[in-house]
Amino acid sequence: DAGVTQSPTHLIKTRGQQVTLRCSPKSGHDTVSWYQQALGQGPQFIFQYYEEEERQRGNFPDRFSGHQFPNYSSELNVNALLLGDSALYLCASSLYGGRYEQYFGPGTRLTVT
Amino acid sequence: GDSVTQMEGPVTLSEEAFLTINCTYTATGYPSLFWYVQYPGEGLQLLLKATKADDKGSNKGFEATYRKETTSFHLEKGSVQVSDSAVYFCALRNSGYSTLTFGKGTMLLVSP
Repeated sequence: DAGVTQSPTHLIKTRGQQVTLRCSPKSGHDTVSWYQQALGQGPQFIFQYYEEEERQRGNFPDRFSGHQFPNYSSELNVNALLLGDSALYLCASSLYGGRYEQYFGPGTRLTVT
Repeated sequence: GDSVTQMEGPVTLSEEAFLTINCTYTATGYPSLFWYVQYPGEGLQLLLKATKADDKGSNKGFEATYRKETTSFHLEKGSVQVSDSAVYFCALRNSGYSTLTFGKGTMLLVSP
């Protein structure tokens, strides 16, 4: 049973560019949440997708956007990258809008130069 | 809003020593509480959880008890191993929401 997978593993971008990160949830899961983990910090909630809609959003600017596809996979898009966007981006999947345990992927390490 | 405070690390122990990592929280309602572990270069793994006051979560020798009166969820292990070296995160999920609020994490280093 495949767990949560994320791609790419690592990514280096320049300030002002745009980036897309991808997540495939654990088999059978229908809800995807995205978190940003800055170096030495705990993960911070970005947003959650369920039934192809953004259901909840944390305190992140509109530069952060997402999408969920009919197969429940999800993308995180960040526009106009800032140096402060450098972080580990974690995807977590769960069932029924996140009311059950969240399973985390290995993350995508984004470096903005 | 909701918040989680953990003791700062790193916590440095010798193998077979007793471990305590303190965690306190602030939340409205009746949150569920979690401990996650992150090994180097990996994502988060759920270690244990407790969903109501006085519940004790346990897994792999680790334990934590949900103390509503002190708003705490301290992580303990009687005898740590080198393989327990990792970063440990305390987190809560408020009953009205499905998102997790994390503490800053505590690094544990265990030497042989």
